[in-house]
Amino acid sequence: DAGVIQSPRHEVTEMGQEVTLRCKPISGHNSLFWYRQTMMRGLELLIYFNNNVPIDDSGMPEDRFSAKMPNASFSTLKIQPSEPRDSAVYFCASSFRSGNSEAFFGQGTRLTVV
Amino acid sequence: EDKVVQSPLSLVVHEGDTVTLNCSYEVTNFRSLLWYKQEKKAPTFLFMLTSSGIEKKSGRLSSILDKKELFSILNITATQTGDSAVYLCAVNSNAGGTSYGKLTFGQGTILTVHP
Repeated sequence: DAGVIQSPRHEVTEMGQEVTLRCKPISGHNSLFWYRQTMMRGLELLIYFNNNVPIDDSGMPEDRFSAKMPNASFSTLKIQPSEPRDSAVYFCASSFRSGNSEAFFGQGTRLTVV
Repeated sequence: EDKVVQSPLSLVVHEGDTVTLNCSYEVTNFRSLLWYKQEKKAPTFLFMLTSSGIEKKSGRLSSILDKKELFSILNITATQTGDSAVYLCAVNSNAGGTSYGKLTFGQGTILTVHP
C-alpha cells in the first residue's frame, strides 16, 4: 500500500485566497484525521471522520476552515479565506479502527500564506 | 478537555547515554497511549500501550504505561545520532458518548544526540 497520500506537498498562497488540501487514506481504513502542526502549538487535531462521517470538529479553529469526506478514499480540508496565521504543516492520518489502533500519517502539506 | 503533557520539552545527550522521556495525561474514556517518532517529515509509529505494567520493547527502545498514575515513559538506551528526533506521545480516547476514538498529542520532546 502506498500509505496516506496528501497533496500538494507545498503550497504558497496569498492572503485571502482559497486553499484546498487533499488526502487519500490507506485503503480499508475507516477513520481519518486532520492535524495542524506549528512550532508554537505542536500537533493539533482539527477534525476527524469515522466511516466518512465527521465525528468531532471542535478543533477547527474558525468558520474559515471546512472539511469534507465524500467517500472512503478521499477527504479535503479547505481554508477560505486564508490568513498568514494559517501557515503550518497540515497532516492527514488514517487508522483501521479508530478505537484502538495506530494512526498512519501522510507526509503533510506545508502551507505558507503570505 | 483532554490533555497530554510531555517532559522534558528538549534534551541534549551524547551517544551512548540512556534517556527517559515522560508523558502524563488527563483524558476522558482512555483507550490507549501511543508513542511516535518524528524526524523531518511525518510522525512514525513506535508503540501502542493499553495495559499497565507491561513493557513494550523494540531494540533499544522500550515503553511502559501506568494507568493508575496516568503516565508513560519511553526509554532509549545506548543512544545514537539517528535517534535525534521529536518524540510524540498521543492518547486515544473515546469521543463522549460514542465508540469512536480520537488521538490527542502532547507537544513533543526534542531529542538531540551528539556524537
